[in-house]
Amino acid sequence: NAGVTQTPKFRVLKTGQSMTLLCAQDMNHEYMYWYRQDPGMGLRLIHYSVGEGTTAKGEVPDGYNVSRLKKQNFLLGLESAAPSQTSVYFCASTRQGANYGYTFGSGTRLTVV
Amino acid sequence: AQSVTQLGSHVSVSEGALVLLRCNYSSSVPPYLFWYVQYPNQGLQLLLKYTSAATLVKGINGFEAEFKKSETSFHLTKPSAHMRDAAEYFCAVSDRQNAGNMLTFGGGTRLMVKP
Repeated sequence: NAGVTQTPKFRVLKTGQSMTLLCAQDMNHEYMYWYRQDPGMGLRLIHYSVGEGTTAKGEVPDGYNVSRLKKQNFLLGLESAAPSQTSVYFCASTRQGANYGYTFGSGTRLTVV
Repeated sequence: AQSVTQLGSHVSVSEGALVLLRCNYSSSVPPYLFWYVQYPNQGLQLLLKYTSAATLVKGINGFEAEFKKSETSFHLTKPSAHMRDAAEYFCAVSDRQNAGNMLTFGGGTRLMVKP
C-alpha cells in the first residue's frame, strides 16, 4: 500500500524555468493538498482540491498552478521559478470530514538558483 | 482565521526525562486538533488527534495530549523520552465547519534528546 507518492524527490531549477510536481494517492481520498515547508514557518497551504476537476487557492498560491484531472493525482506547477520558491513541498490527502488526519507524501526538495 | 502557536522552536531533554511540547490555538469554538511528527527527510506522520471525545488523547509511541478548553491548549507529553523521539513536532488545527478540511499548522518544535 503506497499511500501518497511524490515525484521527484529532489530538483534544482534555474530562475525562470518551469516544472511540475506530481502527487499520486491510492487510498481513494477525495481531498488533496499542496503545502510548502520553510524553516520556522511550519507548513503553509498553497492549493487544495476537494474532488476531481476542482481546485482552490490556499494561503500562498502566487506563482503556482494546480490541476486535478484524475481523482488520484494532484499536480503542482511552477511556470517561472523564483528563488523564493526554494522550499520543501509536501502533498497530502484525506477523506471527506474535518476530523480525519492527513496522509502525507515524503516531500520534494526544490532549489531554485 | 485559525492560528496555532507552538511555544519553543527547540526543546532539549535528557533520555528518560519528561517531554512537554506546547501548543495553543485561537478559536472561539473548539476545533479539531492534531499532532504530527516529522523525522529527518520524511513526511509528516499523525501522532494523535482530538475530535471531541475524551479530552486526554493517547497516540502512538507513548505520546499523549490533553485538550484544555479554558486554556485553549493542546500540549503534547511523553513520560520518558527515547533517543528515537528526536524529531520535529507540529501541532495543527481544523475548524469543525471547514468545508475543505484544511489544517493550519504551527511553526513546529524540534525535539532533541540527549543521552
